[in-house]
Amino acid sequence: QQPVQSPQAVILREGEDAVINCSSSKALYSVHWYRQKHGEAPVFLMILLKGGEQKGHDKISASFNEKKQQSSLYLTASQLSYSGTYFCGTETGTASKLTFGTGTRLQVTL
Amino acid sequence: EAGVAQSPRYKIIEKRQSVAFWCNPISGHATLYWYQQILGQGPKLLIQFQNNGVVDDSQLPKDRFSAERLKGVDSTLKIQPAKLEDSAVYLCASSLDRAGRHEQYFGPGTRLTVT
Repeated sequence: QQPVQSPQAVILREGEDAVINCSSSKALYSVHWYRQKHGEAPVFLMILLKGGEQKGHDKISASFNEKKQQSSLYLTASQLSYSGTYFCGTETGTASKLTFGTGTRLQVTL
Repeated sequence: EAGVAQSPRYKIIEKRQSVAFWCNPISGHATLYWYQQILGQGPKLLIQFQNNGVVDDSQLPKDRFSAERLKGVDSTLKIQPAKLEDSAVYLCASSLDRAGRHEQYFGPGTRLTVT
């Protein structure tokens, strides 16, 4: 089952913050976050493993709530380079494969 | 470090024709993935290899799609015969080991148009 992301799209002004959510109907072992710019391949942002941890680098961080079967990606003080489509990829069960979400299109403007 | 290489980058074929895509993963990466990404959607896993063996091909339309990974390195994905709905970007990715704990590195993709 494909994880559901919200919002579907968001427009920000440079410097504003955003939160992207990823929800699964199944128990999660790990959550991956990727960003894809138009016409390019997805680029890895971070992995969160089962255990409810929070991770971050620079102004992008993420949390993983195992009980709620969801993860959130936090973008702080957004930059123009943050524009793109963000996908979460979830690992459920022991299949060791990712199912990617519906995607969130983020546009940062001046 | 060289990234994941794919070829061709673009391919236009007519329905019922066949097509093959090639992928060379990052050196030393045991796991290789083929994804299909239809415009506006997230990547959908078609097949996952661990070294030479297939780990998951549950979403591969086996009546028309086939894939192999020779000697645990390069891989080819073939479609025969192609249908209009196969128009998509085909992404190859690799990771050090199986998906859960290891980031995936994606190649530039092959954009397939079936007319």
